Amino acid sequence: EVHLVESGGGLVQPGGSLRLSCAASGFTFSSYWMFWVRQAPGKGPEYVANINQDGSERNYVDSVKGRFTVSRDNAANSVFLQMNSLRAEDTALYYCAILRGGNFWGQGTLITVSS
Amino acid sequence: DIQMTQSPSTLSASIGDRVTITCRASQSISTWLAWYQQKPGKAPRLLIYKSSNLVNEVPSRFSGSGSGTEFTLTISSLQPDDFATYYCQEYNNYSSWTFGPGTKVEIK
Repeated sequence: EVHLVESGGGLVQPGGSLRLSCAASGFTFSSYWMFWVRQAPGKGPEYVANINQDGSERNYVDSVKGRFTVSRDNAANSVFLQMNSLRAEDTALYYCAILRGGNFWGQGTLITVSS
Repeated sequence: DIQMTQSPSTLSASIGDRVTITCRASQSISTWLAWYQQKPGKAPRLLIYKSSNLVNEVPSRFSGSGSGTEFTLTISSLQPDDFATYYCQEYNNYSSWTFGPGTKVEIK
């Protein structure tokens, strides 16, 4: 059974940084693109970033380009999202997900950007 | 960037009603469109992929159609478990995975 477990969320001040982690199990992690999707309170889901199987290709939504970095460690079955220069509008529940070749979501980790 | 719109934003319907939700893309996405159902406090659940392909274990009352820029999700006979918010999502290429703004299906 596929499991995706996010961690690293919390309260951070505007301009601050956080690193999210997603621990994966139950599938061959190195064979899948991995995605980060966020959902602000009361809003719909928003794709944030993805990374290919070996980490050589990474894509981002325009609003996070230059601030967020997605990475992965296939040996540890984990994907990460380094978030810098955080803004109030980054406040959301952040999901780790498989959206290609399957469709699985974690339970999400909440990021609140506020002073 | 591809923009997605959905209509209506809210839909009030009764048990047994036929319900149709429309999703439009700002440019052609062929059939690279998915539909999700989301209930409060839960992650989105994939219902349909590649415009019209039903995910295993999704009831057959759900169906999808369309290509290019216009797509529909139809629920043939609304059931109590179907009251939720529905999102379309394009996946035309690996750098673009835009979700629509959602359609909330409410009890009439």
